[in-house]
Amino acid sequence: EIVMTQSPATLSVSPGERATLSCRASQSVSSNLAWYQQKPGQAPRLLIYGASTRATGIPARFSGSGSGTEFTLTISSLQSEDFAVYYCQQYNNWPPYTFGQGTKLQIK
Amino acid sequence: QVQLVESGGGLVKPGGSLRLSCAASGFTFSDYYMSWIRQAPGKGLEWVSYISSSGTTIYYADSVKGRFTISRDNAKNSLYLQMNSLRADDTAVYYCARDLNWFDPWGQGTLVTVSS
Repeated sequence: EIVMTQSPATLSVSPGERATLSCRASQSVSSNLAWYQQKPGQAPRLLIYGASTRATGIPARFSGSGSGTEFTLTISSLQSEDFAVYYCQQYNNWPPYTFGQGTKLQIK
Repeated sequence: QVQLVESGGGLVKPGGSLRLSCAASGFTFSDYYMSWIRQAPGKGLEWVSYISSSGTTIYYADSVKGRFTISRDNAKNSLYLQMNSLRADDTAVYYCARDLNWFDPWGQGTLVTVSS
């Protein structure tokens, strides 16, 4: 089973600033990685798939990069609605699909 | 629009059973793979089970294998999860999701609480 590790667990950033979230895989997942955003009381929402392809309707301030074992989600200029928990998920070697433990992005 | 709506959650005693349903609309359900994913209170996401579009290929997480059964009825645009021998650590919000290898969209979730 591939283990996904996200860092940091909590990230404090001011509105308007850039946020950089990391995700590491225990072995190569090629570019088979997705990112999700989850707000309190809501279901997760797909942001990125294929490591760098934005899902339909996702603003351009969200970007994904990386391949192999190291991945990054960047939010270029944080808006108030971006403060949430973010998860990465690999789909290179499955079953099982595996998720990272999440990064909570909070207002500084 | 594409929509998934779960139902069937509730409070059940350890060892009990529950059947979750997921009603799909806004897309051709029979063309798509589907998965169940769960989230324990205050915890992260855990994939539970997958079913192919025809229902012929099924996978489970080790944590639920032998206790949970996924199924679908393409004529009713519905996905199901039969959960038996429930344990306290099965307590979670259960989401159904369209499985493209990534998950999109997700339903709103249904809460399953296993407690005596």
